[in-house]
Amino acid sequence: EPEVTQTPSHQVTQMGQEVILRCVPISNHLYFYWYRQILGQKVEFLVSFYNNEISEKSEIFDDQFSVERPDGSNFTLKIRSTKLEDSAMYFCASCGGAYEQYFGPGTRLTVT
Amino acid sequence: KNEVEQSPQNLTAQEGEFITINCSYSVGISALHWLQQHPGGGIVSLFMLSSGKKKHGRLIATINIQEKHSSLHITASHPRDSAVYICAVRWTDTGNQFYFGTGTSLTVIP
Repeated sequence: EPEVTQTPSHQVTQMGQEVILRCVPISNHLYFYWYRQILGQKVEFLVSFYNNEISEKSEIFDDQFSVERPDGSNFTLKIRSTKLEDSAMYFCASCGGAYEQYFGPGTRLTVT
Repeated sequence: KNEVEQSPQNLTAQEGEFITINCSYSVGISALHWLQQHPGGGIVSLFMLSSGKKKHGRLIATINIQEKHSSLHITASHPRDSAVYICAVRWTDTGNQFYFGTGTSLTVIP
């Protein structure tokens, strides 16, 4: 069964460093999403992406964040200058258009 | 403010028990997702609902649009069902993203 994959599974970085989280959505899906979950809190929407551009973003998704689909398969989330409060689990999801979203296993980001 | 509320927050059950987890939301939705989050953090989609009822194995999900309420039932619960169950909704007036409840942590004891 097709699945969403994410790399790395765990990333440790120092405050102020740039990180890139990678996702490979399901191949025929058209809509892509990033969510985050701070430890002990609920999952929060960050951004959605369709037709090579951001379709929606939340207040969390400020200028430090960017997304890109550099080729036909990868979907990346970049955090330009990480802060301690960026430590969280980041989930990628993709959707084929019928609302149901398929989630990746997540990348645990730890900022020290 | 649009809200998604789940109850109970925590639930402990004996193996074999019938379990119900509830989700209420404040305004109209176009879709509701039931998700399962494992202790390792991964999220699995269980059901997508916009009306009625769906069944998959021992899991049943129902939604009442008029009452703005959905339930997830687990029949003949098993320790491997222990996980956090999350309700997420897509509001009719706010685009494609889903808004998540805080989850119900289920522990099934052998």
